[in-house]
Amino acid sequence: EDKVVQSPLSLVVHEGDTVTLNCSYEVTNFRSLLWYKQEKKAPTFLFMLTSSGIEKKSGRLSSILDKKELFSILNITATQTGDSAIYLCAVDSTSGTYKYIFGTGTRLKVLA
Amino acid sequence: DAGVIQSPRHEVTEMGQEVTLRCKPISGHNSLFWYRQTMMRGLELLIYFNNNVPIDDSGMPEDRFSAKMPNASFSTLKIQPSEPRDSAVYFCASSYLVEQYFGPGTRLTVT
Repeated sequence: EDKVVQSPLSLVVHEGDTVTLNCSYEVTNFRSLLWYKQEKKAPTFLFMLTSSGIEKKSGRLSSILDKKELFSILNITATQTGDSAIYLCAVDSTSGTYKYIFGTGTRLKVLA
Repeated sequence: DAGVIQSPRHEVTEMGQEVTLRCKPISGHNSLFWYRQTMMRGLELLIYFNNNVPIDDSGMPEDRFSAKMPNASFSTLKIQPSEPRDSAVYFCASSYLVEQYFGPGTRLTVT
């Protein structure tokens, strides 16, 4: 059975700290991995990763994929209170139309 | 574009009642997804459509759940009869290629 596991489940840090969120997966036919940020409402897209070792970066956020070890990490540097959210990892493992399996998420809280 | 539109935003109903959730995807998107999110199980894919055709409904919990997409701009998710364990936030998302755009969700409470 395909599965996506995120760790830690929750995390509390102070502003300015750097955090690393983990996503490991076991799927039959990997195609891509997505990271989403979910604040109070709907998830919003952060990154899509398809190739190992290529870092995606957006401001203080960055992410990288390791297809050999079957995991991805999401780094957030110099955290701010606005980074408080649930971060979701999703993996697409189909050969047809895109269908994503989501992890349960990491709940990040950044204290002022 | 207004993004993915869902209605109602909140629904409170009694056990045994029929519930219908509605979704209008982003114009031009050819895939539509229904998800359910709970604290215990996270975000679960229920069913998805491509070009209005159901592709995979293996995530639908049981026969009480059904979904339709009569045209490219509208989809419904129906629960009949509803049960307290159906209480969750139901998201609709649409996509053209990879990135999925989520609607604001419908918070369903079944008492």
